[in-house]
Parts: sequence; structure tokens; C-alpha cells
Amino acid sequence: ILNVEQSPQSLHVQEGDSTNFTCSFPSSNFYALHWYRWETAKSPEALFVMTLNGDEKKKGRISATLNTKEGYSYLYIKGSQPEDSATYLCAPRGGNNRLAFGKGNQVVVIP
Amino acid sequence: DAEITQSPRHKITETGRQVTLACHQTWNHNNMFWYRQDLGHGLRLIHYSYGVHDTNKGEVSDGYSVSRSNTEDLPLTLESAASSQTSVYFCASSDGTSGLQETQYFGPGTRLLVL
Repeated sequence: ILNVEQSPQSLHVQEGDSTNFTCSFPSSNFYALHWYRWETAKSPEALFVMTLNGDEKKKGRISATLNTKEGYSYLYIKGSQPEDSATYLCAPRGGNNRLAFGKGNQVVVIP
Repeated sequence: DAEITQSPRHKITETGRQVTLACHQTWNHNNMFWYRQDLGHGLRLIHYSYGVHDTNKGEVSDGYSVSRSNTEDLPLTLESAASSQTSVYFCASSDGTSGLQETQYFGPGTRLLVL
């Protein structure tokens, strides 16, 4: 079982502000890193999949970077909007081809 | 449109009863997964299947079983429900052919309360 740490666990952001949070995972036996977005009362939806060190992905105002050598990924939200309020899940894929989910970064955007 | 559905969406049962949660996907995906989600924990893998007649234990499989008799369905059975199994259960599927880029698609969840 991969040990996945996401920090901070929850954060409140003023509308229009930018924010970022971290996912840490074991750098050994790394295959891929998934980010999911999970809105309240809905099911998790895939945001990004990254596999290579230095990978960067972007979707609208949300972007992510990957450092496989030191075992972390950052997720950035630029100019947060209320619809960005959600829990963002990080899930590295290990050698057993299974995803190991972190506890999530809960983001609340305050209008 | 292809989709993944779970039923029931809400269930209340009593300790000791057998409960089966249904998961059905119409994407023709090879891989299917069951997770549970509890406060203070990330999604934890219960069981998974990579194809018909294939089933595997996840990290929290005790007290649960699955069977895969066709591609579309992976029912999750709680043999004798316990209060510790009160949780929200998510089913997911993936196509099994996309390698490392493969994404899992989640169902809407089943909220189970064991009294």
C-alpha cells in the first residue's frame, strides 16, 4: 500500500485568489500519478494523469506538476471561483497497477 | 450514453444481515473496482476484477466478497453486515487497455448504514 500524503487537508480561498496544494508519495516504484476532482454529493472525476518527471498538465484554471524523483505533485488553481470548491484527490499508481488514494485536499472558495 | 450505475443509492440494514450492492457499467470495461470512503480516510480498495471470473482482494477486503460472471457487473456482498461497514461505497471501472494513462470512472456511490 503506497503512503500518500496530501496537504493541507482543507483550505479556504477567497474568490479570485490563486492557491496550490501538495501530494507526496514514495518516489520508488512509481508508475503514474492521477488527480481527481470530487464535488460534494457527486462522484470523483478524473482531472489529470501524469507519468514523467517534469510533466505539467493544464485544464482551464487548474494545472498540475509532477516530480517523480522527490515524490511530489503540486495542483494549482489560478483565480479561484466558487465552482472550484471540491475535494481534490491524488492517487499514485504503483507496481501492482492499483491506485492508492490520498485523503484529499478540500477546497472551499469563498465568494 | 455509456455509464456506470450503482444500486441501491441508500441502504439501511441490520447487523448480521447479508447485503449485496450492485454495480453495472455499459462501457464494456475489463476492470472494475469497489472502494469505501470514510471520514479521515482516502478511498480504500475493497476488491477488484480485471475480467470475467477474475477477482482480487484489496486492502480492506475482510467481510466482503465479489463475483464477476459477466463484463458489465461486479456485485459487492457483505456476508454478515457489521456496524464498522457503515460507509459510502463507490464502484469504478477502467478499460484495461490504456496502460499507465488509464483512468477510472466512478459510479454515484451507495450510502450504507448498518444498525
